[in-house]
Amino acid sequence: EPEVTQTPSHQVTQMGQEVILRCVPISNHLYFYWYRQILGQKVEFLVSFYNNEISEKSEIFDDQFSVERPDGSNFTLKIRSTKLEDSAMYFCASSEARSTGELFFGEGSRLTVL
Amino acid sequence: GESVGLHLPTLSVQEGDNSIINCAYSNSASDYFIWYKQESGKGPQFIIDIRSNMDKRQGQRVTVLLNKTVKHLSLQIAATQPGDSAVYFCAGSSGSARQLTFGSGTQLTVLP
Repeated sequence: EPEVTQTPSHQVTQMGQEVILRCVPISNHLYFYWYRQILGQKVEFLVSFYNNEISEKSEIFDDQFSVERPDGSNFTLKIRSTKLEDSAMYFCASSEARSTGELFFGEGSRLTVL
Repeated sequence: GESVGLHLPTLSVQEGDNSIINCAYSNSASDYFIWYKQESGKGPQFIIDIRSNMDKRQGQRVTVLLNKTVKHLSLQIAATQPGDSAVYFCAGSSGSARQLTFGSGTQLTVLP
C-alpha cells in the first residue's frame, strides 16, 4: 500500500539552528500538507501546498517556516531558526484532491529543540 | 473560527463490546469530517469520513453519525478489539479548504 514517508524520525537541535524535515508524499497525490502535534496536544494545521505554491497557512506558519518541493518527489519543511516551542511531532500528509478524499499522514518527525 | 472537541479524554471498554466516541464542533459551515486513529508513536490513520449531506456512514466495523442540528458527530466501533486501543481524533473542515481542525482526542483502552 502506498504511504507517506518522512525523515528523519527524530531530530535533536540547538535553539537557533535551522532544521529541514523531509517528506515523500504518495506519488499520484497533488496536495501536500504539514501538521504538527506538540506533546499531549491537538494536531494543528501548518500549511498546505499545491501546484508549487502555498494554498493555505495557519498563524503558526510564520516567517521562520518555509516549504519547498525541490524535485518531483520530496516535500520539505524548513524552520529557519528553531525555538524551544518548536519542539513537536511534525506530520506530513498528502491527498489526491483538494475537496474530496482523505489525507494520508506519514509517521511523523519528532523535533526536539534544546 | 472552527473549534472541534471531544467529550471524554479517555474511554475504557471490554473486548467485544461496542465503543462510542463523541465529538462536537462549533462552526456551522463545517461540511466535512474525518475520524482518525493514532497509535503511540505513529501518524494519524484514516478511519472514516462523512460529508454534511449525510447523517450516517458505515465502514468495516465502524459507523459515523452526524447530527448537524446539535453539531455533534460520533464514531461507533462494533465488537471492539485490543487492536482498536489508540487515541481517536475527529477533524473537520469547511468549504473547499482542506485545513483540518482536529479535536483533542479520546484515548480508547480495550480491556481483556
